[in-house]
Amino acid sequence: GENVEQHPSTLSVQEGDSAVIKCTYSDSASNYFPWYKQELGKRPQLIIDIRSNVGEKKDQRIAVTLNKTAKHFSLHITETQPEDSAVYFCAAMVSGGYNKLIFGAGTRLAVHP
Amino acid sequence: KAGVTQTPRYLIKTRGQQVTLSCSPISGHRSVSWYQQTPGQGLQFLFEYFSETQRNKGNFPGRFSGRQFSNSRSEMNVSTLELGDSALYLCASSLATGNTEAFFGQGTRLTVV
Repeated sequence: GENVEQHPSTLSVQEGDSAVIKCTYSDSASNYFPWYKQELGKRPQLIIDIRSNVGEKKDQRIAVTLNKTAKHFSLHITETQPEDSAVYFCAAMVSGGYNKLIFGAGTRLAVHP
Repeated sequence: KAGVTQTPRYLIKTRGQQVTLSCSPISGHRSVSWYQQTPGQGLQFLFEYFSETQRNKGNFPGRFSGRQFSNSRSEMNVSTLELGDSALYLCASSLATGNTEAFFGQGTRLTVV
């Protein structure tokens, strides 16, 4: 069935270090992969997304890579700051499923000053 | 422009009761999706509506239902509430086509006692 696995479930880094979160999806026809950041008590907000015709995308300190062959994609945050502390969710859009997103279980990132 | 609005923000219901949640999408967005968020299960897809038609449905029992009105506003209903239905219910609006950003509302926190 449709599934997205996300690792690690928790991640603790020092301010200034890099953080990497990895996801694997099951539907090989998935073609859209967004990443959401959810701060405590707030709504999930898109921070970056990538489509299947692109291997990498970068936006300032955030980058996402996609390996379609291996069916996995990763989020990279460089020069982490305390305000990066949040729960991060990866997701894959099911093929032919219009706006149906399958989410990973989330990664709780803590950035320590 | 105004974001996605969900009402009410908080609800407390008793087992066996039913509840209706409302979602107003971003102006111009015709797709509304609903997700259940719990600490143990993460974000789970409930269903998606477009032009008053349900296009997708997740693996939830028939007690969970929804509808969409001609102005794209959507409601979801849960009948015969169970303790396990306690969760944050999020709706997201998107443009009609897939592979585009889903904008989330603040959610409705439902507690079943």
